[in-house]
Amino acid sequence: QVQLVQSGGGVVQPGRSLRLSCVASGSTFSSHGMHWVRQAPGKGLEWVAVIWFDGSKKNYIDAVKGRFTISRDDSKNTLYLQMNSLRAEDTAVYHCMRYNGNLGAFDIWGQGTMVTVSS
Amino acid sequence: QSVLTQPPSASGTPGQRVTISCSGSSSNIGSNTLNWYQHLPGTAPKLLIYHDNQRPSGVPDRFSGSKSGTSASLAISGLQSEDEADYYCAFWDGSLSAGVFGGGTKLTVL
Repeated sequence: QVQLVQSGGGVVQPGRSLRLSCVASGSTFSSHGMHWVRQAPGKGLEWVAVIWFDGSKKNYIDAVKGRFTISRDDSKNTLYLQMNSLRAEDTAVYHCMRYNGNLGAFDIWGQGTMVTVSS
Repeated sequence: QSVLTQPPSASGTPGQRVTISCSGSSSNIGSNTLNWYQHLPGTAPKLLIYHDNQRPSGVPDRFSGSKSGTSASLAISGLQSEDEADYYCAFWDGSLSAGVFGGGTKLTVL
């Protein structure tokens, strides 16, 4: 059974940094593009970032460009989201997801991790 | 504001059939395949429908998707209490290399 297990959330002051991790088990991690999405309190899902299966390309929503960095370590089956210069509006539950090219959809999701940016 | 418009809420009684709409334009729904996700708060969202109308293995056939032009719908028949959740339409915009989610619809089972 393929699983994505997340860690790294917490409470952080504005302007500080946090790194989220997402470990994949039971799957061919290196064959898939990986994504992050977030859900702010009382809001819907918002796509945040993507990294291609081979790490050759990355993209972000405008709101996090220049502050967040998505990366992957295929030797550890792990996806990361480095979040710098955090703002109150980054407060959200963050989910990692696997993109299945055959389905054209996010078929496996992490359980989510809460990030709270507050002074 | 998302480019995909969903009603904020929907409701039905057990056993009923409900539909949730997702409207867009020729540049999004009209030219991309659409997916639907079910999200119970506090849990990992789940893929319900892919490629407009295909169900992943394990998803009951009570759930069905359809698309026509610039609009799509998710139908749930034989509504059950455990269907109470948030539902999102979404697609991968290859031209922008970005994911796009609708605003979500909160389904209440009365």
